[in-house]
Amino acid sequence: AQSVTQPDIHITVSEGASLELRCNYSYGATPYLFWYVQSPGQGLQLLLKYFSGDTLVQGIKGFEAEFKRSQSSFNLRKPSVHWSDAAEYFCAVGVDQAGTALIFGKGTTLSVSS
Amino acid sequence: GAGVSQSPSNKVTEKGKDVELRCDPISGHTALYWYRQSLGQGLEFLIYFQGNSAPDKSGLPSDRFSAERTGGSVSTLTIQRTQQEDSAVYLCASNKRGGAGTDTQYFGPGTRLTVL
Repeated sequence: AQSVTQPDIHITVSEGASLELRCNYSYGATPYLFWYVQSPGQGLQLLLKYFSGDTLVQGIKGFEAEFKRSQSSFNLRKPSVHWSDAAEYFCAVGVDQAGTALIFGKGTTLSVSS
Repeated sequence: GAGVSQSPSNKVTEKGKDVELRCDPISGHTALYWYRQSLGQGLEFLIYFQGNSAPDKSGLPSDRFSAERTGGSVSTLTIQRTQQEDSAVYLCASNKRGGAGTDTQYFGPGTRLTVL
């Protein structure tokens, strides 16, 4: 069965500093990987997704993620964090079969200090 | 509408009462999903609809939970005899054809349910 682990429950980063949020997945074949962001009181917004091809994926709001098959990882990065990036971030894995739901990690809460 | 909508946005109820949560998916999306987001637990899958049928109900936590979808569009999640552990944010998502791989799921804003 697929699973997703986000090892960091809470991270605090200074505004302007770089960010890396970790995500590890468990799946026998090549997974489809997603990062979503949830701001307080809001639904989930898709930041980026990996299906195949280039392992470095660019997303919205200046985020990128790199798929590393050897490490079963899909870490999210941003070179310079803005205060508005404070939110909860979820990594998810999916499989391309009709009717399958996404499997989510438990999320990482990002706080941004000034 | 442009996105997935859910109503109500907040619901406070007393233990033992029944509640109904509504989801309007993106027009034309045949697949619809319900998830539950509990504090510190991430998102748990509840049920999946393809059209009006629900081929996967494996995530429903108990027989107090049920859902239906009519006209291939609106879905209602019903929780009977609510318990305090049902307190959570209930999220709805939809996508075009139902695969959770290449077909991106779009989420609604959720319904925050509080059971007193």
